[in-house]
Amino acid sequence: EAQVTQNPRYLITVTGKKLTVTCSQNMNHEYMSWYRQDPGLGLRQIYYSMNVEVTDKGDVPEGYKVSRKEKRNFPLILESPSPNQTSLYFCASSPPAGHGNEQFFGPGTRLTVL
Amino acid sequence: KNQVEQSPQSLIILEGKNCTLQCNYTVSPFSNLRWYKQDTGRGPVSLTIMTFSENTKSNGRYTATLDADTKQSSLHITASQLSDSASYICVVSVLTGANNLFFGTGTRLTVIP
Repeated sequence: EAQVTQNPRYLITVTGKKLTVTCSQNMNHEYMSWYRQDPGLGLRQIYYSMNVEVTDKGDVPEGYKVSRKEKRNFPLILESPSPNQTSLYFCASSPPAGHGNEQFFGPGTRLTVL
Repeated sequence: KNQVEQSPQSLIILEGKNCTLQCNYTVSPFSNLRWYKQDTGRGPVSLTIMTFSENTKSNGRYTATLDADTKQSSLHITASQLSDSASYICVVSVLTGANNLFFGTGTRLTVIP
C-alpha cells in the first residue's frame, strides 16, 4: 500500500530533551516536507526537501533540523524542544513539487513539550 | 504578497443540507488549486484539483469551481453526510520557485444529525 508513515504518533516530552520524529514513504517521491498544524494557523511548512541531500527552510524552521540521506526517509529533529513546539506535525511527500502535485500526508504526530 | 484566505472559519449544518466553502487567493503566477479534506486526527487527503482552464469539477457530492479572473474558488457539498465533518483546506500552487505551495487555514465543517 502506498503510504507515508510517521513515528511516533504521540509523544510527551520535557523541555530540552532531544527527540526525532521519523517519516518514511514508499512511493519513490522526490519531494518531502514537514508541517506543523496549530489551531487557527493552519498548516505551516517547517522544512522541505526537493531530493536526496537537498533540504531547505520553510516558513517556520527555527528550532528544527532535518536530513535527507535516503530518498524514502526524512526525519525531523528537535535538538532542544520547547513548549512552543507543542503541536501536531505532518510529514508529506509528492512527485516533484514544481508541478503542484498532490501531496500525500502521513497520519500525524501529536507532540507535547512540558 | 501570496496569500490564501478561506471562509468561513467554521460551519455547522444539518445532515442532508448543502453548503459552500470559499477560497480567495492572491497567489501569482497561478498553477493550480487543490482542495484537501482533513478528518480529525488524520492527514489531509486531496479531493480535487483545479487548473487555470477549468471552471468546474465534481468528485461525487463535492463540486469545486474556479474563477481565475477574480481568483476565487468554492467547494460545494451536496446532501451532506455526517462523514463530511472535517476540515477543508485550499492549497494554491504557483508556476515559479522551488517551493511553491500556499495553504489556506481551512474551514472546519460540522454536520449534525
